[in-house]
Amino acid sequence: NAGVTQTPKFRVLKTGQSMTLLCAQDMNHEYMYWYRQDPGMGLRLIHYSVGEGTTAKGEVPDGYNVSRLKKQNFLLGLESAAPSQTSVYFCASSLRGVRQPQHFGDGTRLSIL
Amino acid sequence: GQNIDQPTEMTATEGAIVQINCTYQTSGFNGLFWYQQHAGEAPTFLSYNVLDGLEEKGRFSSFLSRSKGYSYLLLKELQMKDSASYLCAPGSGNTPLVFGKGTRLSVIA
Repeated sequence: NAGVTQTPKFRVLKTGQSMTLLCAQDMNHEYMYWYRQDPGMGLRLIHYSVGEGTTAKGEVPDGYNVSRLKKQNFLLGLESAAPSQTSVYFCASSLRGVRQPQHFGDGTRLSIL
Repeated sequence: GQNIDQPTEMTATEGAIVQINCTYQTSGFNGLFWYQQHAGEAPTFLSYNVLDGLEEKGRFSSFLSRSKGYSYLLLKELQMKDSASYLCAPGSGNTPLVFGKGTRLSVIA
């Protein structure tokens, strides 16, 4: 049972490039989340989804887009990467409800030069 | 919005007891989570308190006082592997969790 899998684990981009981070979960969870974690800032929610085909903005959504075409996958896109988006990105999933414990992936370390 | 306050860093000795405090101000409060995060790894769920009082889970216990907006995580018989960041996350209504900035605990011999 893999749990939550994030792809890729590391990536270096140049300013202006685009990329997509993939999150896949095999626990049949309804809710999925994308966070970024920066030193001294803690985990901050970017976007989240309460079910297939639905997405909603979190605390820091600007510069990111998401899609949840399949229940098990949640994609995070950066259309035009900026150095301020250098961070560690975590995906998480949970059963239905925001009070369910979240299961996190191992993270994607993204550097933008 | 929410206001979450927890100490940035703490140091404790192997075998000792340490208490990590979290104070919060949030409307529509309906429970508080604690997560553990080892350096370079993903956060993992530790505890969830809905009602006032102490909940014990092995060496770890979590306490909640809703009227005071206060929670603490108590770690007993500290081990080196307990060196990690501990994240407090109070829930508010039906909105996603907001995490505190975390307390980095260092356990020394």
